[in-house]
Order: sequence, then C-alpha cells, then structure tokens
Amino acid sequence: QAQVVESGGGLVKPGGSLRLSCAASGFTLSDYYMTWIRQTPGKGLEWVSFISGSGATIYYSDSAKGRFVISRDNANNSLSLQMSSLRDDDTGVYYCARGKPTQSFDPWGQGTLVTVSS
Amino acid sequence: DIQMTQSPSSVSASVGDRVTITCRASQYIGRDLNWYQQKPGKAPNLLIFGASSLQSGVPPRFSGSGSGTDFTLTISSLQPEDLATYFCQQSFTTLVSTFGQGTKVEIK
Repeated sequence: QAQVVESGGGLVKPGGSLRLSCAASGFTLSDYYMTWIRQTPGKGLEWVSFISGSGATIYYSDSAKGRFVISRDNANNSLSLQMSSLRDDDTGVYYCARGKPTQSFDPWGQGTLVTVSS
Repeated sequence: DIQMTQSPSSVSASVGDRVTITCRASQYIGRDLNWYQQKPGKAPNLLIFGASSLQSGVPPRFSGSGSGTDFTLTISSLQPEDLATYFCQQSFTTLVSTFGQGTKVEIK
C-alpha cells in the first residue's frame, strides 16, 4: 500500500529556515511526480512545489520561488523541501503527496505543522 | 487565473439524506476535476478523479459529474462517517490556484 510520511515541521522565527522530509513506501518513488502542498489559514490548500520522477523537472509556486528548494533521493525513497526566508504567512500544515497539479494527488501524508512566529 | 468556487460553504444534513456539493471553475477545464474528503485532523483523501471516476476503495454512495465549468459531488445517502470537509481541485493547468475553498458537511 502506497504511503508517505512527512517530518521536520516546527516553530521557526521569521527569516529562519526549516527542512521538511517525506518518506515514501509501497511504491517506486522514481516512477512518480511528487508535490508539496500546504494548507494555510489564509489561502487554504495550495501546491508549493513539485518534482518529476527523475528530478529533472521542478516547479515552484510564486510564493515559494527563490525561497524554497525541492529535492528527492529515489535511492532512499525520500523527498525534501528546504525552506528559507520564512514568513508569517508560510504558517500551515505541509503535506507531501504523490502526483502533480495536472493530475490527482494520492496518497497524501498526515502533514507536518510549520509555524512561523517571533 | 482559474478560480474554483464551491457551494455551499457548509451543509448540515441528516443520516440518509442526499447531499450535493457544487464546484464551479471560472474557465473551461474539461473533465480535469478531482474531489477530496478531509476528515477532522486528517489529510485530504482522493474520492473522485476525472470528474466522475471513483477512486478505489471509496464507497459507491459518492459520485461525481459535470464537465466544462460546472461540477457536482453527490453523497447519495449520508453516513455519520462522512462528516468532513470536501474540496475540489482542477488539474487542467498547473500555474494557478488549483483547489476550491472547501465545503464542510455536518450531520444533524
């Protein structure tokens, strides 16, 4: 059964950095696009960044561009999101999901909470 | 940008009732519309993809319809475990906001 599990969330001050991780199991990670999606009080659900199976294709939302970096390690079945220059409005639950915005997302992880506050 | 607008924002219904949720796209999206269920404190779960295809394991009381700009999610007979917020997502184009704002389903 395909499953993804996020980790790495926490409390960080504005301007700080955080690295999120996603561990995948039950499927061959390299066969799939993977996406980070967040759920925030201000904007609801929005995709943040996605990456192709090989890692050759990467997209960022406008809000993530220049601040976040997505990467993957297929050999270790993992996905990461390095977030820097964090702002208050980055606060929310971050989900890792299999798929890309021009597909459906399935499965999703349980989410990891990121709180940006001084 | 394509905007996804769901209605109603919340609905309260009794067990056994038929519940209908609407999602409207501001531009044509063909049948590239997916529905998710998010139970309290949980991650979203895919219910319907391609406007009307039921995801494996999802009870058949859930159904989806529509094309173009207007879409519907129907729960034919509401069950207590259907307490959740339901989201639509357009998968027609990448570069815009893809999710609706959600519809909260409550049990009377």
